[in-house]
Amino acid sequence: AQSVTQPDIHITVSEGASLELRCNYSYGATPYLFWYVQSPGQGLQLLLKYFSGDTLVQGIKGFEAEFKRSQSSFNLRKPSVHWSDAAEYFCAVGARSGYSTLTFGKGTMLLVSP
Amino acid sequence: GAGVSQSPSNKVTEKGKDVELRCDPISGHTALYWYRQSLGQGLEFLIYFQGNSAPDKSGLPSDRFSAERTGGSVSTLTIQRTQQEDSAVYLCASSLEGVFIQGLTLYFGAGTRLSVL
Repeated sequence: AQSVTQPDIHITVSEGASLELRCNYSYGATPYLFWYVQSPGQGLQLLLKYFSGDTLVQGIKGFEAEFKRSQSSFNLRKPSVHWSDAAEYFCAVGARSGYSTLTFGKGTMLLVSP
Repeated sequence: GAGVSQSPSNKVTEKGKDVELRCDPISGHTALYWYRQSLGQGLEFLIYFQGNSAPDKSGLPSDRFSAERTGGSVSTLTIQRTQQEDSAVYLCASSLEGVFIQGLTLYFGAGTRLSVL
């Protein structure tokens, strides 16, 4: 079974500074990988996903993530954070064989300071 | 509809009462999922429906929890004899396909916040 670890529960970043949210996964092969964002009182919105090919994936709102097989990681990055990026971010993994749901990490809460 | 719709958005109930939570998926989406989001616990998978196949109930935490999906569209999650530990946000998601697909892109509703007093 797959699992996801997001080691940072909270991160505070100054507006305009760069951001990196960490995600490590455990899975026997190359999984499908996702980042979702959840604003207060909202459902989860897909930021980006990795299926195959280029290991650097571009998403919405200026986010990108890089799949590193050797590190079993899929870290989310943004070069310049905006106050509206304050939200909770979830990394998720899905298996490639058979059907499955997504397994989510516990989330990282991003706080943006002025 | 344009997105996944869940109702009610908030539900407050007394311990021991039954509750029903509703999910209306995106039109044409054959797969439907229920997740539970508890404080600090991330998203916990509950149940998954795909077309006319038997649902995957492997995530249901107890036999007090059940779900059905009528006509391949609307789904209802029922919690019987609610307990305080059932308090959480219950999220519904749908996707275009759920089996042997090239990617499991889930589209989430805003959730139902359940509070058991």
